[in-house]
Amino acid sequence: AIQMTQSPSSLSASVGDRVTITCRASQDIRNDLGWYQQKPGKAPKLLIYAASTLQSGVPSRFSGSGSGTDFILTISSLQPEDFATYYCLQDYNYPHTFGQGTKVDTK
Amino acid sequence: QVQLQESGPRLMKPSQTLSLTCSVSGGSIRSDIYYWTWIRQPAGKGLEWIGRIYTGGSTNYSPSLKSRVTISVDTSKNQLYLKVNSLTAADTAVYFCAAGDYVVVNGVYTYRLDVWGQGTTVIVSS
Repeated sequence: AIQMTQSPSSLSASVGDRVTITCRASQDIRNDLGWYQQKPGKAPKLLIYAASTLQSGVPSRFSGSGSGTDFILTISSLQPEDFATYYCLQDYNYPHTFGQGTKVDTK
Repeated sequence: QVQLQESGPRLMKPSQTLSLTCSVSGGSIRSDIYYWTWIRQPAGKGLEWIGRIYTGGSTNYSPSLKSRVTISVDTSKNQLYLKVNSLTAADTAVYFCAAGDYVVVNGVYTYRLDVWGQGTTVIVSS
C-alpha cells in the first residue's frame, strides 16, 4: 500500500498567518490526491482534489500544489474557522490511503 | 447532490458481526456516477479507508480488513451496507460512508470523495 506521510503532525498558528502542510507519497501518485478538513465531531470536508483543484464553495484562501510524490496544502491567511485537522488522501491505487493528519490550533 | 445517513448498533461484543447501513437520499445508489465508500476513525486517531463499491460491478477493500469485511448495496432500498465480522476492540471507531465521483480536470478523469455522512459510533466491548 502507498504510504502517505504528512508533516507537521501539528502546528500552532494565529489568525492571518500563512499555513503550509506537506504530504509525501511513498511512490509516484501523479496528481491523484485530495485534501480534507475535519472539525471535532464532524465528517471530513473535501477542500481540494486532483492536488490543486478547489472544490466548489471552498474559500480561495485554500490552495493545493504538487504532483508525483510531494504535495502542499496552503492556507494563505488563516481564519478562525480554519482551526481543524487536515488530511491528505491518495486515490491513485488501492487501497486508498490517508495521511496521518495535521492538527492546526491556536498559537 | 446525494445525502448520506449511517445507522447501526452502537455497542457490540468481541467476536460478533457488525452490520451498518448507509441510507442514500437525493439520488440513486444505482447511479453509475458514484463510488460508495466506507471509512472509519478510532477516537482521537486518523482516518482509515475500508473499501468502496461501484454498482457498475467492482468492489475493492483494504488488504488489512479484506478477510473480515463485506461491502454491498440494495438498490431496491437505496442503501449501502458494511459488514465486519470477528470484531475486536480495535474495531471501535466512528464509521463514515461517503460518495465519490469522477470529474474531468484538464482533460483527465479525476476522483473526488465529496459527499460524506455524519458518521456512526461503534464500540466493541465485552
